[in-house]
Amino acid sequence: NAGVTQTPKFQVLKTGQSMTLQCAQDMNHNSMYWYRQDPGMGLRLIYYSASEGTTDKGEVPNGYNVSRLNKREFSLRLESAAPSQTSVYFCASRKAGTGDYEQYFGPGTRLTVT
Amino acid sequence: KQEVTQIPAALSVPEGENLVLNCSFTDSAIYNLQWFRQDPGKGLTSLLLIQSSQREQTSGRLNASLDKSSGRSTLYIAASQPGDSATYLCAVRPNTGTASKLTFGTGTRLQVTL
Repeated sequence: NAGVTQTPKFQVLKTGQSMTLQCAQDMNHNSMYWYRQDPGMGLRLIYYSASEGTTDKGEVPNGYNVSRLNKREFSLRLESAAPSQTSVYFCASRKAGTGDYEQYFGPGTRLTVT
Repeated sequence: KQEVTQIPAALSVPEGENLVLNCSFTDSAIYNLQWFRQDPGKGLTSLLLIQSSQREQTSGRLNASLDKSSGRSTLYIAASQPGDSATYLCAVRPNTGTASKLTFGTGTRLQVTL
């Protein structure tokens, strides 16, 4: 049981390049999330998927797109990277429903845009 | 808009000392509050989840309390050890909606010295 996995661990992009961050979970969770973490700002929600087949914007969605490929996988795409998107990106998942279920986080992807 | 604040931003204590980390939130309409630990360059590990109807939750040397009406939570760490050195984050979940979108504080960086 690997939990939440993310690839790649590190990435350097030039302004204008595109890339996709991959996330997968093997806990049979319905809900998945993408956050970014910046110094002094805490984690901020980019997009989330409450269940397979649905996606919704979070607090800071501009410049990103997501795909919930299946129940296990939730990818984040940067179509045209900008220096402001330099950050650490975390994927998380959670069991479905309204119970008190915790969110589980992946190890993160450190992205630098030059 | 919910805002979560953690003070102090950094704390250094000698090994063996008991300590309290603080978390405050502006909107008391929360479903639950979660405390996380983050080691440098790593993802987030859930420590405790405390429901809005609970006053406290305990796990080993950790005790989290919640006073929803005043918008405050504390994380008490007993007999601190160097291995407790990490950044501690609190996050609140609103009591509306089903997607469990968390709002995070910016964290308290704890160093336990020998």
